[in-house]
Amino acid sequence: DSGVTQTPKHLITATGQRVTLRCSPRSGDLSVYWYQQSLDQGLQFLIQYYNGEERAKGNILERFSAQQFPDLHSELNLSSLELGDSALYFCASSVEGGGSRGYTFGSGTRLTVV
Amino acid sequence: AQSVAQPEDQVNVAEGNPLTVKCTYSVSGNPYLFWYVQYPNRGLQFLLKYITGDNLVKGSYGFEAEFNKSQTSFHLKKPSALVSDSALYFCAVTDSGAGSYQLTFGKGTKLSVIP
Repeated sequence: DSGVTQTPKHLITATGQRVTLRCSPRSGDLSVYWYQQSLDQGLQFLIQYYNGEERAKGNILERFSAQQFPDLHSELNLSSLELGDSALYFCASSVEGGGSRGYTFGSGTRLTVV
Repeated sequence: AQSVAQPEDQVNVAEGNPLTVKCTYSVSGNPYLFWYVQYPNRGLQFLLKYITGDNLVKGSYGFEAEFNKSQTSFHLKKPSALVSDSALYFCAVTDSGAGSYQLTFGKGTKLSVIP
């Protein structure tokens, strides 16, 4: 157990639907990062939150959104789902400043859009 | 902008032989460099990191990596490969001066250790 909890582990849904992925960071970590892993795009950074505020945005589609709550857990919302959104979604957390202190990854949520 | 290149999609090595997985990077400032390993249907496991100091970094499971600033490389090495080392390996970088510290990953190298 890495200390970063992602739920659900697996999700199967239909095109056009909306899903919410949840991430609880490791205790004491203030930053949460979301990544998408697909066969064709590899591991892509989506978005980062630090202590409730958006810190950085990567290759995140407009159909996707995220937030970090006061208890520091984060949710990634994916809407109007397309077949191409099928991927493994990872959450990582780090302490303030990240970088030198390292990152801890969750085990991921595998999303299958049918 | 920051980027990572892993030039080999796959590396095959015989059990007991030394292994090297290559990684080169590009950042504007000073790099923080990481290696992660992913087993099938699993998350990313941390192997080692370079932040500053000694260019040779030792990590988990007998792995080590050498930071070479002039060649902008951070190759992963192990003196004697095990079949259980077979997995997908990712090199990642972040810019120490960027402020947001998001990791940029290479495309990954599949390591196969042949018995």
